[in-house]
Amino acid sequence: KAGVTQTPRYLIKTRGQQVTLSCSPISGHRSVSWYQQTPGQGLQFLFEYFSETQRNKGNFPGRFSGRQFSNSRSEMNVSTLELGDSALYLCASSPGDPRDEKLFFGSGTQLSVL
Amino acid sequence: GQQVMQIPQYQHVQEGEDFTTYCNSSTTLSNIQWYKQRPGGHPVFLIQLVKSGEVKKQKRLTFQFGEAKKNSSLHITATQTTDVGTYFCAPRGGNKLTFGTGTQLKVEL
Repeated sequence: KAGVTQTPRYLIKTRGQQVTLSCSPISGHRSVSWYQQTPGQGLQFLFEYFSETQRNKGNFPGRFSGRQFSNSRSEMNVSTLELGDSALYLCASSPGDPRDEKLFFGSGTQLSVL
Repeated sequence: GQQVMQIPQYQHVQEGEDFTTYCNSSTTLSNIQWYKQRPGGHPVFLIQLVKSGEVKKQKRLTFQFGEAKKNSSLHITATQTTDVGTYFCAPRGGNKLTFGTGTQLKVEL
């Protein structure tokens, strides 16, 4: 089984621009979660999607949004980029079954905002 | 809201020494997971603990869940250089999985 795939691997943007990150979960997984990882703040939960619906949301501003498609693939969008948005963005998939909650992470997208 | 503290933040050991990281929550947890992230890598699932007082072992790793389901620990016996990385606890309270701040382990020969 292929793992979680995130694209692109690296991204450089300037302040004020917007960016879209993509995540393809493991086949059969219906839940996709997004996390922001920075050296100072650790792993911060952004949101979780299950069957195309946002199921949980972290404490991030509205500039951060996401969606999930019918094939479970997910995208995350950040608008009006700020320098502080520079981070590793990790996507994780899981079956979405309460009996099997372990997350499988992708390699992440390293975003640099200049 | 749920607050998770993980200590220590860093641990530097000689190969062969033991290592323990602790995770403490301000609220009672449904369950807790542990992940390991190697330098330059992504978090990889290690284990999930569900029951009060649960203890699970994976070779040299021992995981414990507190009786009150508010804390957990990961103990590594006789560390090896392959143990290098950051260990995260990820408690679940309600519907949210929150990651602890992590303990970065360095192992010297």
